[in-house]
Amino acid sequence: DVKVTQSSRYLVKRTGEKVFLECVQDMDHENMFWYRQDPGLGLRLIYFSYDVKMKEKGDIPEGYSVSREKKERFSLILESASTNQTSMYLCASKDTDSPLHFGNGTRLTVT
Amino acid sequence: LAKTTQPISMDSYEGQEVNITCSHNNIATNDYITWYQQFPSQGPRFIIQGYKTKVTNEVASLFIPADRKSSTLSLPRVSLSDTAVYYCLVGDELTVGDKLIFGTGTRLQVFP
Repeated sequence: DVKVTQSSRYLVKRTGEKVFLECVQDMDHENMFWYRQDPGLGLRLIYFSYDVKMKEKGDIPEGYSVSREKKERFSLILESASTNQTSMYLCASKDTDSPLHFGNGTRLTVT
Repeated sequence: LAKTTQPISMDSYEGQEVNITCSHNNIATNDYITWYQQFPSQGPRFIIQGYKTKVTNEVASLFIPADRKSSTLSLPRVSLSDTAVYYCLVGDELTVGDKLIFGTGTRLQVFP
């Protein structure tokens, strides 16, 4: 069974801090995604990656960057956290003929 | 990119059949339709996927008309544990690097 692991379940950071959210998948999937989820707005795509060192912007990339140095790991970086980045962050992976497999999310609070 | 539109919420009672419709007017030839279920404090999980006509598995059926501009997820005889948010996703599952965009989802509440 595919496992997508997000390093933290809950995270509290201060405004202006640099924040790293880590995601690891164990199925050698090509594609990895970062979404954020807010009440009433559903899942919004921040960034995705279709190969090592490759990345593409999603719908809301502003204020975020990503890193994919190894196939199994996809990191989301908040260069300078702000209160409007308080949200649930979901990582997912997939292969070309598989559906998305999600982690259980990281609930980030920026104070 | 195909945008999806779903009802924001639906209510049902245990034992009833629930049908949730998703509109995707600009679906592309290579796009598949996939439905996900999400419980609180969990990531969404795959329910069913189809390209055209009807697909059925052990938990749901998916009906797709010939023009593919909409799809209907059918949950037979729902129980309280089916209370969740249901997302319709339209995208090219076979293309590496496809940008997969979700809609806002449908919150299903099942009452006893």
